[in-house]
Amino acid sequence: GAVVSQHPSWVICKSGTSVKIECRSLDFQATTMFWYRQFPKQSLMLMATSNEGSKATYEQGVEKDKFLINHASLTLSTLTVTSAHPEDSSFYICSARYVFGSGSSDTQYFGPGTRLTVL
Amino acid sequence: QKEVEQNSGPLSVPEGAIASLNCTYSDRGSQSFFWYRQYSGKSPELIMFIYSNGDKEDGRFTAQLNKASQYVSLLIRDSQPSDSATYLCAVRGMRFGAGTRLTVKP
Repeated sequence: GAVVSQHPSWVICKSGTSVKIECRSLDFQATTMFWYRQFPKQSLMLMATSNEGSKATYEQGVEKDKFLINHASLTLSTLTVTSAHPEDSSFYICSARYVFGSGSSDTQYFGPGTRLTVL
Repeated sequence: QKEVEQNSGPLSVPEGAIASLNCTYSDRGSQSFFWYRQYSGKSPELIMFIYSNGDKEDGRFTAQLNKASQYVSLLIRDSQPSDSATYLCAVRGMRFGAGTRLTVKP
């Protein structure tokens, strides 16, 4: 399957600082990437849909000013958690939309995730 | 009604048995369905996708789709302890079910 990378794999930061997480599709171009958050023993929660060259679409209840998303190229999307607080500590996972079958079908491949701990 | 519903489990089966995981969805117009496996502390990995009614087999895994009943399932034959994980059903639109936690006991 297609490969999606995330960096960093884990990060610890102080409360009030900002953290940037990168998501890259390594062997395909992804016009659409997705950002999820997952708390322990809970399901994936879609935070936002990132479209190359345009503004991200945020899910209800997700603060767009706190979770800044930039999708500047067909292989890179970034999520910046601004002014992080302990309640933002979570497992952040990105995925990239992979189109196949002459464009008639698609799926998504996930990055390995970034574990954020805010002290 | 949630867009995608799964029994959260946990589902426990003995090694070698068939594990059956079920998923229902609300959008009758959905065309594509995916099963992901997520080990604890890891991100999901794609196992199978299915578009057409009926069965699709890949090794020990079989996906079954019934669009009339808005139902998709995943069967795991000859279950192994390494199959113990949370299985997520997803419908196009990137909507996931809550996942079913499967434990395969040696």
